[in-house]
Amino acid sequence: SQTIHQWPATLVQPVGSPLSLECTVEGTSNPNLYWYRQAAGRGLQLLFYSVGIGQISSEVPQNLSASRPQDRQFILSSKKLLLSDSGFYLCAWSQPGRQGNGQYFGPGTRLTVT
Amino acid sequence: DAKTTQPPSMDCAEGRAANLPCNHSTISGNEYVYWYRQIHSQGPQYIIHGLKNNETNEMASLIITEDRKSSTLILPHATLRDTAVYYCIVSNFGNEKLTFGTGTRLTIIP
Repeated sequence: SQTIHQWPATLVQPVGSPLSLECTVEGTSNPNLYWYRQAAGRGLQLLFYSVGIGQISSEVPQNLSASRPQDRQFILSSKKLLLSDSGFYLCAWSQPGRQGNGQYFGPGTRLTVT
Repeated sequence: DAKTTQPPSMDCAEGRAANLPCNHSTISGNEYVYWYRQIHSQGPQYIIHGLKNNETNEMASLIITEDRKSSTLILPHATLRDTAVYYCIVSNFGNEKLTFGTGTRLTIIP
C-alpha cells in the first residue's frame, strides 16, 4: 500500500530564516506530487505541483520554491521566511492516468514564523 | 473548473444519515465531482468521486442529479468521528489541480 510522509510535524522559525520541508511517498512510482498551504481559518491553496523529476509548476507567486530531486521526493524551500508564510503545509500525491482516485494527503507540517 | 456552492455548516444527530448538498450548475461534461473531508488539524481525506452515475463505497454514497448540476454526499450512519469540514470539488479528470473552497462544516451531535 502507498504511504506519504512529511517532516517535521511542527516547526517554529524566525523571520528571515531558511526553510526546508520534505515529503516522500512509498509504494508507488511516478506519482504526481503537490504542495498546499492552509493559513489559519482559511481554505487550502495549491502552491506547486510536479508530474515528474525536475518538473515543477508554480500556482502562485511567492518566496517559496519546490524541487523534486527524486521520483518520490518533493521538497518545499524558502531562502528567507516571512510572517505570512505561517500555516499548515500539506503534501499530496496522486496516480497519473488513473481514473479519479483523487489525491492523498500527508499529515502536514505546521509552520509558525515568529 | 466549475465552481461549487455548499452550505457553510450543518448539524446531524449521531446514528442518523448525514446528507451534504453541493451545487455545481456550471459543470461541464468531462468534469468529475470529488468529495474530500478534513478533520481538525489533519490533512484532507479523499472520500468518493463520480461522473454521472451514483457511487457508493465503504465511506459514503454520492448521488448526482440527472442534469449533473448538483450532488449529495450521504454518510449513512454518522458517528462523532465524522465531524469535519467536507469539500465538494469539480475537476476535469487529467487536471488534478483541485481547488478547495470553504466547504461545509459538519458537526455530529451525540
